[in-house]
This record gives sequence, structure tokens and C-alpha cells, in this order.
Amino acid sequence: QQQVKQSPQSLIVQKGGISIINCAYENTAFDYFPWYQQFPGKGPALLIAIRPDVSEKKEGRFTISFNKSAKQFSLHIMDSQPGDSATYFCAASISGGYQKVTFGIGTKLQVIP
Amino acid sequence: GAVVSQHPSWVICKSGTSVKIECRSLDFQATTMFWYRQFPKQSLMLMATSNEGSKATYEQGVEKDKFLINHASLTLSTLTVTSAHPEDSSFYICSAPRTGGNEQFFGPGTRLTVL
Repeated sequence: QQQVKQSPQSLIVQKGGISIINCAYENTAFDYFPWYQQFPGKGPALLIAIRPDVSEKKEGRFTISFNKSAKQFSLHIMDSQPGDSATYFCAASISGGYQKVTFGIGTKLQVIP
Repeated sequence: GAVVSQHPSWVICKSGTSVKIECRSLDFQATTMFWYRQFPKQSLMLMATSNEGSKATYEQGVEKDKFLINHASLTLSTLTVTSAHPEDSSFYICSAPRTGGNEQFFGPGTRLTVL
């Protein structure tokens, strides 16, 4: 059972464009929603994260939008660059306890010049 | 941010042998560490939760006798793949949260190839 659904699985964006990746979750107990960036052959690295008491969080060119009532959140990459080409995973976890992270299926982003 | 290292970064072994992978938190203590397996072009699948000083907790479908986990100290967890077979070939990644925080710090991964 996939608790965090992510789409699209692949995305091609032109340089300078906006990349948008969407995620939805079912478990209302999730209270921490990170996005990870992974390059081939490397471990994931935290990009940006949000909690459900905030509707939007921006860090540089990366913005998370969060809709608690719809149980959806999305990542927007503004002014996409070829260096942003990577696989992006949305995730969710519950604070406290063992903090297990549930990952989405991943989106392979390719930014073309 | 905090640093998590893994060793080795890649390993090739013969079928039937055992392989040990180390995960270390370099600048913080981690009472809990997580082990993931990632097949090509797929997401990370949690295998087990490693707990310092106690037995690991395995996810459903993961053979605990095949994937031995030892969390010997607050900075080291090891995953031993016993009697490895070609289907165990994968990218193994560990992660650790800083105590009291939500952020997970991931290791760089270990590529295991079983011939």
C-alpha cells in the first residue's frame, strides 16, 4: 500500500521553466513532509521540508505548497536549471517515536537547455 | 548539516558469501538508524530500523536472518547480508535522525553486486 502517492514519475522541463511535482498522502498522523533530491549513485539529500501548520515554504528557487484539507503537497522549482536534473522524492513522517520516513515513488526530472 | 558515512561505497562478492556494510554518524549520536534498499529507478524501501542496544525492527517481508543488523554504538550500525545471492544486488542506504529532530541524514549508499 503506497501511503504517499507522487506524480509525475518523469518530467522534462526547459531551462528557465517551472518544475512541479505533486504528492498526496492518506495518513493524517503524518506531520512532517520533506522533499529529497537524489543524484545517480548517491544517497538522498534533504532539499526542503514543511509542517502542516504552514501552507507554503520557500527556500531560494524551491517552494513547497501544502494543502492540509486535501492532504496534498507539491514542490515547485522556479527557473529550473540543468543542474537540477535529478530524482526527487516526496516523503512523510510522524514526529517522535522512530520517525520512519515513507517515500513517494520518485520523479525523475530532466531540465533541457 | 550532520554527516552520515557508509563503507564500503561499493562491493562485489560471490554468491553464497556474506557482506558487511557500515553506517556511521560522524558528528552526532544516533540511537536509531534506518536501512533502505533501492533497486534501479525505484524508490527507497525501508528494510529495518536499527536501535542502539536492542534488536532491530524489520519491515514485513524482510528476512531478519538474512539481513543481520547490529547497532553496536551510538554512531555505528552495521548491515550484514548473509549468504548473498544475485537478487540481493541493490543499492543499500542508511539514514539517521538527530535525536529530537525530524530531519533524516542519509548516507551516500553502498552498491552491492553479487555475482
